[in-house]
Formats: sequence, structure tokens, C-alpha cells
Amino acid sequence: GQNIDQPTEMTATEGAIVQINCTYQTSGFNGLFWYQQHAGEAPTFLSYNVLDGLEEKGRFSSFLSRSKGYSYLLLKELQMKDSASYLCAVTDSNYQLIWGAGTKLIIKP
Amino acid sequence: DAMVIQNPRYQVTQFGKPVTLSCSQTLNHNVMYWYQQKSSQAPKLLFHYYDKDFNNEADTPDNFQSRRPNTSFCFLDIRSPGLGDAAMYLCATSTDWSSYNEQFFGPGTRLTVL
Repeated sequence: GQNIDQPTEMTATEGAIVQINCTYQTSGFNGLFWYQQHAGEAPTFLSYNVLDGLEEKGRFSSFLSRSKGYSYLLLKELQMKDSASYLCAVTDSNYQLIWGAGTKLIIKP
Repeated sequence: DAMVIQNPRYQVTQFGKPVTLSCSQTLNHNVMYWYQQKSSQAPKLLFHYYDKDFNNEADTPDNFQSRRPNTSFCFLDIRSPGLGDAAMYLCATSTDWSSYNEQFFGPGTRLTVL
């Protein structure tokens, strides 16, 4: 079967750095997405990785290792508004997007 | 601004009473999706359309139907809602069904079944 694993919940302090990990086992791989979802709202796109390495976009960076089936999302200079769920999703060989259940990130002052 | 619109944002229905959720898009995207999402769970794909080609996920209950009368609109019909169908329903679009299929979501419709 296809599987995406992420921690259920993480807590971090305002101004700090946090890394959210994602491991995946899918039938084929055509890219990995990270989405942010605030409570009661729809997911919004954060990043896309298809090649190994680090993609940086402002305070957010995303890393991919295809050989390890592993990605992480790195959030720097955390702000209270970053409190949200972060969903990892992988495009499989049929171009279907396989979603993780998300990691709820709690930011404390 | 180009966007994905869902109506209503909140829908309350009674057990067994049919309900229709609507979605429209001004992005002119080929692909439209309907997802069901329950609290702290991954979005679950119910259907997707590539243009007018309808694709039903294997485990989508028969109680759920969908229509896409034109490029801009898509509807989700729940014929006989049960208590287990209470969830957030998300409509999304993407330009294509391919490796890079960034999806643009509407705000969702939260369905309550009494």
C-alpha cells in the first residue's frame, strides 16, 4: 500500500526553528508537495520538490532525498501565525496525489 | 482575482436528506477534485474530473455523486447523508493531471448531519 508518515503534533517557540519530517512509501514518485492548513481552512501550497536537495523560499525550506523516501520542511524565525497543520503529499506513478495526515504545529510565545 | 469558490461555507442537513455542494473556479483549470477531510486526517479524494472525463475513486461510497456541467462548475451530491458523512468537503483545481499538479483549494464546505 501507499503510505505517508508525519509526526502528529509538534511544539516550538516563537522565533525558533522547527523541522517537520515526512517519510513516504508510494508506487512511483513524481514529486513531493508541502501544504499549510490553518484550522478550519483549506490547504495552501508551500513548496514542491522533485529533485534531491534543498529548496529555499523565504523563511521556509524543503528538503528531499528520493533514495531515502524522506523529506523535511524547515521553518525559521517562527511566528505565531505559523501555528497550523503541515501536510506532506506525494505524486505517485499515476499522478495521483497521496496525502499525509498532517503535522499540527503549535507555536508558544 | 482568479479563485476557487465553494458554496455554502457551512451546510446543515438532516440524516437521509439529500444535499448538494457547489464549487466554481475562475482559473480555467482542466482538473477539478472533490475531497472529504475529517478532523486531523488526510484529505480523502472522492472524485476528480479531467475536463469532462469523470474519475471515481474505488472506495468512494455510492452515496456520493458528482457533476461537472462545464469547465467552471462542479457539484457534489450526497444522496442520503449519514452521521459519518459529517466532514469538511474541499474542492480543488489544477492545470493538469501530471507530475506537477499543484492544487488550488476553495475555502471548503463544512457539513453537519443532524
